[in-house]
Amino acid sequence: DTAVSQTPKYLVTQMGNDKSIKCEQNLGHDTMYWYKQDSKKFLKIMFSYNNKELIINETVPNRFSPKSPDKAHLNLHINSLELGDSAVYFCASSPRDVPGNTIYFGEGSWLTVV
Amino acid sequence: QKEVEQDPGPLSVPEGAIVSLNCTYSNSAFQYFMWYRQYSRKGPELLMYTYSSGNKEDGRFTAQVDKSSKYISLFIRDSQPSDSATYLCAMSANRDDKIIFGKGTRLHILP
Repeated sequence: DTAVSQTPKYLVTQMGNDKSIKCEQNLGHDTMYWYKQDSKKFLKIMFSYNNKELIINETVPNRFSPKSPDKAHLNLHINSLELGDSAVYFCASSPRDVPGNTIYFGEGSWLTVV
Repeated sequence: QKEVEQDPGPLSVPEGAIVSLNCTYSNSAFQYFMWYRQYSRKGPELLMYTYSSGNKEDGRFTAQVDKSSKYISLFIRDSQPSDSATYLCAMSANRDDKIIFGKGTRLHILP
């Protein structure tokens, strides 16, 4: 029944590795996002996709590459991981047929780079 | 000045008290205002959404927007220990614009 699900929930990896986080939503939403929440709990958008098309790409290192195979999935691949990439990464989705920007978040993926 | 300012707390109040959470912002173009609640080790969930100025009530929660002062508030009446969480304000200028989040206020309701 989970609306926005992302895996893995916890990931510990070494510097320099490449890792992926997968996300799926079963809400039928057109728009999906990746957000990053740092150690100070600051939540900031990284990417936004609408119907598989990239619409927001914030100032994020190009080591981060989102991929949307279909509108229900948005995966995040990270190359050459650095210590500063340690954070919680939230996948989210939103509908287009309701007023405002109401976003539904997944439970987060806790990434620790050592 | 940051676009959205929010006191990180923590804010500790006794059970049953009225809680007031606030955010200020600098961008006068913001029209959509939201409050999200985030429990520990969970994703944020939408609590309240308000368009433009005014008040909105939903059960024990009331959201207020004062665009002239660039100030928004969330009031929680009859606070419960289950209300203990981090509350994030969020806002955007247009429906399709990116949403800017505050840093969140940690709230503890003491039994």
